[in-house]
Amino acid sequence: NAGVTQTPKFRVLKTGQSMTLLCAQDMNHEYMYWYRQDPGMGLRLIHYSVGEGTTAKGEVPDGYNVSRLKKQNFLLGLESAAPSQTSVYFCASSYRDSILEEYGYTFGSGTRLTVV
Amino acid sequence: QQQVKQSPQSLIVQKGGISIINCAYENTAFDYFPWYQQFPGKGPALLIAIRPDVSEKKEGRFTISFNKSAKQFSLHIMDSQPGDSATYFCAAGDSSYKLIFGSGTRLLVRP
Repeated sequence: NAGVTQTPKFRVLKTGQSMTLLCAQDMNHEYMYWYRQDPGMGLRLIHYSVGEGTTAKGEVPDGYNVSRLKKQNFLLGLESAAPSQTSVYFCASSYRDSILEEYGYTFGSGTRLTVV
Repeated sequence: QQQVKQSPQSLIVQKGGISIINCAYENTAFDYFPWYQQFPGKGPALLIAIRPDVSEKKEGRFTISFNKSAKQFSLHIMDSQPGDSATYFCAAGDSSYKLIFGSGTRLLVRP
């Protein structure tokens, strides 16, 4: 039972390069999210998805694109990396239990990205 | 504009003491208030959560206190242990299915 798996775990990019971060969940969750974590800033929502084929902007979407072609996968793309995108990126998936009234967020272990 | 404000940024407590972390929010549409615990190199994990119709929720040594009129909520860790040393995040959610997180508190419990 893997939960939420993020690949890669570490990456160093040069300014202007592109890359895709992959998030995969095996819990059949409807909702998926990408957050970035920076010192003193907490977790800030980049983009999220409420179902297969849907995406929406979060708090800090500029410079990122996402796609959710399959329910279990949520991809985060950086088209032209900038040093300001150096961060730890976390993917999460969730359900919303109407009975327990819980969000049921499960986070991956993160991707540490450095842009030089 | 930070929707969820968390304080303090860091906290040092002696073993057996009480750790208190505070959060405040502005958006009255928030209806779900969880706390997450994160250890170095790991993703955050749900610790405890509360809904606004309840003023307090306790699970073991962890208690959430909620003040709806003041739009504030706090986490109390009783009998703090060195194993509680971690970063704690408060968060708030509404019907849009997403959570907005506070800036985090780094807790160190000294033996």
